[in-house]
Amino acid sequence: GENVEQHPSTLSVQEGDSAVIKCTYSDSASNYFPWYKQELGKGPQLIIDIRSNVGEKKDQRIAVTLNKTAKHFSLHITETQPEDSAVYFCAASIREYGNKLVFGAGTILRVKS
Amino acid sequence: SQTIHQWPATLVQPVGSPLSLECTVEGTSNPNLYWYRQAAGRGLQLLFYSVGIGQISSEVPQNLSASRPQDRQFILSSKKLLLSDSGFYLCACPNTGPEPLHFGNGTRLTVT
Repeated sequence: GENVEQHPSTLSVQEGDSAVIKCTYSDSASNYFPWYKQELGKGPQLIIDIRSNVGEKKDQRIAVTLNKTAKHFSLHITETQPEDSAVYFCAASIREYGNKLVFGAGTILRVKS
Repeated sequence: SQTIHQWPATLVQPVGSPLSLECTVEGTSNPNLYWYRQAAGRGLQLLFYSVGIGQISSEVPQNLSASRPQDRQFILSSKKLLLSDSGFYLCACPNTGPEPLHFGNGTRLTVT
């Protein structure tokens, strides 16, 4: 089955700097890759997603890149702000199997002001 | 769009006691429903999913069971809790179509 690995497990950046979180997946049939942000005591919230027919997607300060050949995808947050501090999860799934997402272990992002 | 309600928000239960966590969904009918568990400091693990009333698929063998008595109701249960059942339990369903998946605010279960 699918296996998703996520790095780093913790990341500290200075406010205004960029943050990059990387994930690799094992199943070449996976074709949907969402990213979630989880704040303390809450459920994960979708922040951006990408499908395998696209190499990059941007939404304001957030971007995701996908390299299907290497089977890895990354989350990029520019101009980080203290409110970006949270746990971020990547995930992968095969769309034909609905939403059976396989998640990475998560990255704790701390933005220092 | 779907709205997911989970309760209770927190729960402390002794080892060996039963468990019932409820999830209800408002929105479109016959949504796929999912139970995930998040252990402390770890990612989310899919426990059960359901594509319709009475249809439950289990992803991992464990001490828990799930039921879907109504279209928009998904229940996670255990007859006897173990310490290892402690965690953050999340119900999820897609907003529209098969994706993206949206999560409720979860139930934090502590087994003592």
